[in-house]
Amino acid sequence: DAGVTQSPTHLIKTRGQHVTLRCSPISGHKSVSWYQQVLGQGPQFIFQYYEKEERGRGNFPDRFSARQFPNYSSELNVNALLLGDSALYLCASSKLTDMNTEAFFGQGTRLTVV
Amino acid sequence: QQQVKQSPQSLIVQKGGISIINCAYENTAFDYFPWYQQFPGKGPALLIAIRPDVSEKKEGRFTISFNKSAKQFSLHIMDSQPGDSATYFCAASYLGNEKLTFGTGTRLTIIP
Repeated sequence: DAGVTQSPTHLIKTRGQHVTLRCSPISGHKSVSWYQQVLGQGPQFIFQYYEKEERGRGNFPDRFSARQFPNYSSELNVNALLLGDSALYLCASSKLTDMNTEAFFGQGTRLTVV
Repeated sequence: QQQVKQSPQSLIVQKGGISIINCAYENTAFDYFPWYQQFPGKGPALLIAIRPDVSEKKEGRFTISFNKSAKQFSLHIMDSQPGDSATYFCAASYLGNEKLTFGTGTRLTIIP
């Protein structure tokens, strides 16, 4: 089975631009979460989607938005990019039951804002 | 607000030795504590996880020790190997909720 896939793997954008990152979860997983990992730090939670509905949002500005599609894939959008948005963006998927919260991460998208 | 504190920041262990990484949490509502291993350029990979109803869980060379009263948990890597050299993150969440709160990470280096 394929793992969590993210695209693109690397991206360079200019300040003020907009970016869209994509994630395909593991087959059978209905929950997708997004994390931002700044170099040298642990991942920070941005969003969680389950069955196409937002179930959680981290402490990120409104420039960050996301959505989940009927096939459970997801997009993360960031508007008006700042230099500080440069980071590894990780997508995680899980089955998300009351007894199973195992989250599996993709390889991430490395975003560089110049 | 950092809810999971991890130490040490970096660790060097000789091959065959025991690597120990510690974490402490603040939120007593957390009931799921995973450890992730991350290699450069890769996403975190789930290593082992524990729930607070047990004090220890062992999988191969990896053991989690959990102290609920102290709100602390630790990862022990026995017989450490050069291939274990990576960054390790502890995390915490609630069962049924995928939001993970991560520690700051420990860069582990295993030397021959």
